[in-house]
This record gives sequence, structure tokens and C-alpha cells, in this order.
Amino acid sequence: ETGVTQTPRHLVMGMTNKKSLKCEQHLGHNAMYWYKQSAKKPLELMFVYSLEERVENNSVPSRFSPECPNSSHLFLHLHTLQPEDSALYLCASSQGGTGQGDTQYFGPGTRLTVL
Amino acid sequence: AQSVTQLGSHVSVSEGALVLLRCNYSSSVPPYLFWYVQYPNQGLQLLLKYTSAATLVKGINGFEAEFKKSETSFHLTKPSAHMSDAAEYFCAVSVPNTGFQKLVFGTGTRLLVSP
Repeated sequence: ETGVTQTPRHLVMGMTNKKSLKCEQHLGHNAMYWYKQSAKKPLELMFVYSLEERVENNSVPSRFSPECPNSSHLFLHLHTLQPEDSALYLCASSQGGTGQGDTQYFGPGTRLTVL
Repeated sequence: AQSVTQLGSHVSVSEGALVLLRCNYSSSVPPYLFWYVQYPNQGLQLLLKYTSAATLVKGINGFEAEFKKSETSFHLTKPSAHMSDAAEYFCAVSVPNTGFQKLVFGTGTRLLVSP
């Protein structure tokens, strides 16, 4: 596979469930990102990992827990979510470093519905 | 603080007509600016980016954008719309001095193309 992949593509969960989203990049990048995309709102940056170290935690509730075991994989662990957490969750990767001109490559997203 | 404003949540054009999607930015330093496109059920894909080189930037699929400092604008254009251009378009600016690439996105403009 090439690029950035995300699984599952769709997820429906109850508020008491625990689930995980997975992201994998095949581009040899050093930085990985989680975004939340809700209708009629700008993309919200949630977490950033650079060389497997978390460098940004954008005031995200603790019911979202990221994990980056290596530079190719990124997880988002979910527990006791609320209905307002329903959204498209996008993963992205980039070359990394401090390059403001970097290009971020996005996966197709996981459509999450919380009942 | 860095921000972008996209005027018009929806833009409708006829096939073959000029496409113009507007983006104005606010930045305390010379900005790095990006246009991304999102097709249905997909992640975001980079169309083009401005990284302080040429002010007229050419991207994929016949799109281009011109950086105008005096107007704080980075509008996206395409001379002739194609049905396949129907998608959502996002303008973004990079936040400096964060140690990683942090993008601030606009709320997006949905382009509708009619036959």
C-alpha cells in the first residue's frame, strides 16, 4: 500500500465503548497528525507526533488518547465518548522537522458516529 | 495570530466557466499558504502551496493561485471548470516557530459544477 491508510473507515460506538483508530503511513515521514473534521467547522488539530514524541496536544479531552509506537503508525484510543465527538477523524503525515513549507499527506479518514 | 478566511461556503459555476475561490489571510510574519482539496469520502490532497518564492503558484489539475501581500489574499483560480472539480477546497496558513508544521485551516468552500 502507498500513502496514508486509516482503519476502520466507518465506526459506530456507544458512549461506554472503547475503540481505537489506526493510521499507517508508507512515506517514510517523521511527523504524524490527528485532526477532527466536523461539519461547518475548520479542521481541528488534535495531536502531533514528531519522531514518535508528542509535540502538540491541542486541549483535547482525555477521552481521546493517542499512541505512536513508531514513526509509521499512529493510534487514537477512544473511550466514554460523547455524541458531539461524532466527526470525521483524519490522520496526516509530513516529512517533519520545522519545515513550514512541508506538505501534509492525509488519509481517507474514519467516520465516527457516537450513539 | 495566523488565520485564514474563505469567503463563500458554496460557489457554483457552469462547466467551462472560470473558477475563483477566495482566501484572505492574517499573519504576523511572511506566510506559508496552502490550498487543499477534499473529494467526497476522501482525505485532503494538496493542490498547491506558496513558500515565498514566485507569487504565482501553479498546482495540479490546472489550478493556480496568486499571493498578493498588499491585499493579504491567496485566491485560487482555474480558467475552465470541469465536472470532476466538484469538491471542497480548503485554504490554510502555517503557524511559525512551533517546532513542527502547524496549519490553521479555513472553513472550506464547496465548489459545485453544473453541466
